[in-house]
Amino acid sequence: DTGVSQNPRHKITKRGQNVTFRCDPISEHNRLYWYRQTLGQGPEFLTYFQNEAQLEKSRLLSDRFSAERPKGSFSTLEIQRTEQGDSAMYLCASSLAGGGNTGELFFGEGSRLTVL
Amino acid sequence: AQSVAQPEDQVNVAEGNPLTVKCTYSVSGNPYLFWYVQYPNRGLQFLLKYITGDNLVKGSYGFEAEFNKSQTSFHLKKPSALVSDSALYFCAVRDWKSGTYKYIFGTGTRLKVLA
Repeated sequence: DTGVSQNPRHKITKRGQNVTFRCDPISEHNRLYWYRQTLGQGPEFLTYFQNEAQLEKSRLLSDRFSAERPKGSFSTLEIQRTEQGDSAMYLCASSLAGGGNTGELFFGEGSRLTVL
Repeated sequence: AQSVAQPEDQVNVAEGNPLTVKCTYSVSGNPYLFWYVQYPNRGLQFLLKYITGDNLVKGSYGFEAEFNKSQTSFHLKKPSALVSDSALYFCAVRDWKSGTYKYIFGTGTRLKVLA
């Protein structure tokens, strides 16, 4: 099964440290999304890419967050100087756009971040 | 702006009974509507979508949803609930005329099916 893959699945870090998450989308999917989900809440949009271009970024995303998709394949989400409020599940999703596709999202299993 | 509301935090239903999980939406243009299910410590799984056409759409695991444009609703339904349907359900919307490919999710409804 070549679904959406996220690594690491779990990350525990100390406040102030930097963390990076990686997402490998379904291979032919040209759109890639990052969402954040806290306990008991729905996924909150962070950003999305079409190929390598970052087309939209949430205003809720502070300057400590940055995402890249350098070759239009995998993506990384980096959080600098982590804070306890960053503790959440970070979800990656991909979709196929164009050619009449309506582009439902396919999600990975998520990367859970705990900031101590 | 797009938004989705799931008015019930939790729905309890007895096994074998019909279930409904409610969703209302707000978009400035025309909606693409989706339902996803999430099991503990897992990602979201796609259940079904409404794009255009028939207002009643059928999806995975016997679920269906009815699009009602006048009430701006997209309620998820199943004729006979199973204990294994117990999970967290999310409604999502994308406004396909807004120029954005961003999907907005509701806060989720926890479905509990009692044996």
